[in-house]
Amino acid sequence: DAGVTQSPTHLIKTRGQHVTLRCSPISGHKSVSWYQQVLGQGPQFIFQYYEKEERGRGNFPDRFSARQFPNYSSELNVNALLLGDSALYLCASSPPQGNYGYTFGSGTRLTVV
Amino acid sequence: DQQVKQNSPSLSVQEGRISILNCDYTNSMFDYFLWYKKYPAEGPTFLISISSIKDKNEDGRFTVFLNKSAKHLSLHIVPSQPGDSAVYFCAASGDSGGGADGLTFGKGTHLIIQP
Repeated sequence: DAGVTQSPTHLIKTRGQHVTLRCSPISGHKSVSWYQQVLGQGPQFIFQYYEKEERGRGNFPDRFSARQFPNYSSELNVNALLLGDSALYLCASSPPQGNYGYTFGSGTRLTVV
Repeated sequence: DQQVKQNSPSLSVQEGRISILNCDYTNSMFDYFLWYKKYPAEGPTFLISISSIKDKNEDGRFTVFLNKSAKHLSLHIVPSQPGDSAVYFCAASGDSGGGADGLTFGKGTHLIIQP
């Protein structure tokens, strides 16, 4: 069974640019969450989507947005990139019954220069 | 203000011995706690969880203990094996694990198992 897949694995962008990160959840999982992990810190919650609707949002600026598609895959968009946006972006999926242990993808390493 | 704290950045334990990883939290609304393990270049992997209505949960070599009055939880690994060397994250949820509030993670503890 395929796990949570994220693309791309690595990305380098320039300050001020826009980036789109993609995530495909485990088959049958309808919920997708996004986390940002800065070096030396634990993952920080950005968004949760369930059945294409935003169910939760962490403390991130409006430059961060996301959406979920009918096939439950998801995109995370970040506008006007700052150096501080350099991080590992993790996607996690969970079954309809709730969390009880998200399954995380391997992440996208974003470097902003 | 960190709501989930792992005060030991690293821990070294001999193979075969017990590893004890600690976690403290400040938010009394947290009602579900999880431990994740992370290898380099991989995403976190779920290990074990505990609801606030319990004080212990066991799964094979892994046991999590929860002390609600002290707002403290710990992960015990017995016996420790070389493959246990990884970064361990403690995480907490305030919505019974449903996910809408997201998980609040600690900074992690790097466990090193010495042969």
